[in-house]
Amino acid sequence: SAVISQKPSRDICQRGTSLTIQCQVDSQVTMMFWYRQQPGQSLTLIATANQGSEATYESGFVIDKFPISRPNLTFSTLTVSNMSPEDSSIYLCSVSAVANTGELFFGEGSRLTVL
Amino acid sequence: ELKVEQNPLFLSMQEGKNYTIYCNYSTTSDRLYWYRQDPGKSLESLFVLLSNGAVKQEGRLMASLDTKARLSTLHITAAVHDLSATYFCAALTSGTYKYIFGTGTRLKVLA
Repeated sequence: SAVISQKPSRDICQRGTSLTIQCQVDSQVTMMFWYRQQPGQSLTLIATANQGSEATYESGFVIDKFPISRPNLTFSTLTVSNMSPEDSSIYLCSVSAVANTGELFFGEGSRLTVL
Repeated sequence: ELKVEQNPLFLSMQEGKNYTIYCNYSTTSDRLYWYRQDPGKSLESLFVLLSNGAVKQEGRLMASLDTKARLSTLHITAAVHDLSATYFCAALTSGTYKYIFGTGTRLKVLA
């Protein structure tokens, strides 16, 4: 299994500002993903964080709004830019190792509230 | 595009009863995962199902996978209050390596 540290765990932000969420894994992993979970909803994949290159975004998510970095195999950041109240959600970092079962592990999540 | 659906969305059941949650997915997927989420918490991995006919059991929960029917089930035996949570299934896409989550089933076990 992998231990994932995600911070901040929660934050309250003002409309129009940006916030960067950090995700640190205790071991080298092949795949890192960022998900969004709106209140009472399921998880929606934002993007796959690719090491050393641009992230792969899902339909409805763009780099200008959700820039992602992954400088190495154990660390990634997600920025939520120019926030609006609609961005209030839980953002989850997740990782998996392709070579094994592909089991997906999650960080504790970052709960953002935008006023 | 892979889509994953669960039913029911909400389930209220009495302690001691049995029930099954269903997870259907729309295209070929070789791997299926089940997770539990408690309110205000992240997701906890329950089961990893890697092949057709796979069956895994842990306590009162048993998960199975039928890749031909594109169906996975999570069976609850003699439910207890501690099983109250939201349960998600997730399928792994073939080729593009993405995990697509189902709609979730919110389970409430009544004493």
